[in-house]
Amino acid sequence: GAGVSQSPSNKVTEKGKDVELRCDPISGHTALYWYRQSLGQGLEFLIYFQGNSAPDKSGLPSDRFSAERTGGSVSTLTIQRTQQEDSAVYLCASSLAQGNTGELFFGEGSRLTVL
Amino acid sequence: AQSVTQLGSHVSVSEGALVLLRCNYSSSVPPYLFWYVQYPNQGLQLLLKYTSAATLVKGINGFEAEFKKSETSFHLTKPSAHMSDAAEYFCAVSERTYKYIFGTGTRLKVLA
Repeated sequence: GAGVSQSPSNKVTEKGKDVELRCDPISGHTALYWYRQSLGQGLEFLIYFQGNSAPDKSGLPSDRFSAERTGGSVSTLTIQRTQQEDSAVYLCASSLAQGNTGELFFGEGSRLTVL
Repeated sequence: AQSVTQLGSHVSVSEGALVLLRCNYSSSVPPYLFWYVQYPNQGLQLLLKYTSAATLVKGINGFEAEFKKSETSFHLTKPSAHMSDAAEYFCAVSERTYKYIFGTGTRLKVLA
């Protein structure tokens, strides 16, 4: 596709269940980001992938959160044993390079609701 | 460390009136600054960016922003609001690395 694709667009789960969120970046974009958007909180950085380099995981809020990027393309964000405070919109973004002057291209997000 | 403050979580303007959305930043190095817009149920898209060239930056949809180092500000303006401008606007700063820090957003409402 032409843009960043995220799935599912909406996910409702029960507390304690695991969830996986998928991001398919724009073809050729080497940089990939995950952000969390909570109501009134802005965008919270979670993790950054750049090519084959080790990811920057410094924004992951707990060890229940993990992410992978396979083959330098598709990324999966996994949240284990979900808690109600994990409810948010999870946004994926990609860019051509390290992104310091470049534009970030965002997907439409995955809205997670934990009951 | 860099940070961004957006003054006013909600701003209302009449159609045809001036739009002014405020952003102040903190950065230990000359920053790169960005404004993104998010329409309902969509991802963010870039409106404009400042990367140390001209201090007055023009973006899409008639928006512009001026970098003022002395005031550490990067306010977003548009001379005449249109109903289609109703959205949430985010200011972001980068210290010329891959890390972007986003503000908490300003929701713009345009009144008919």
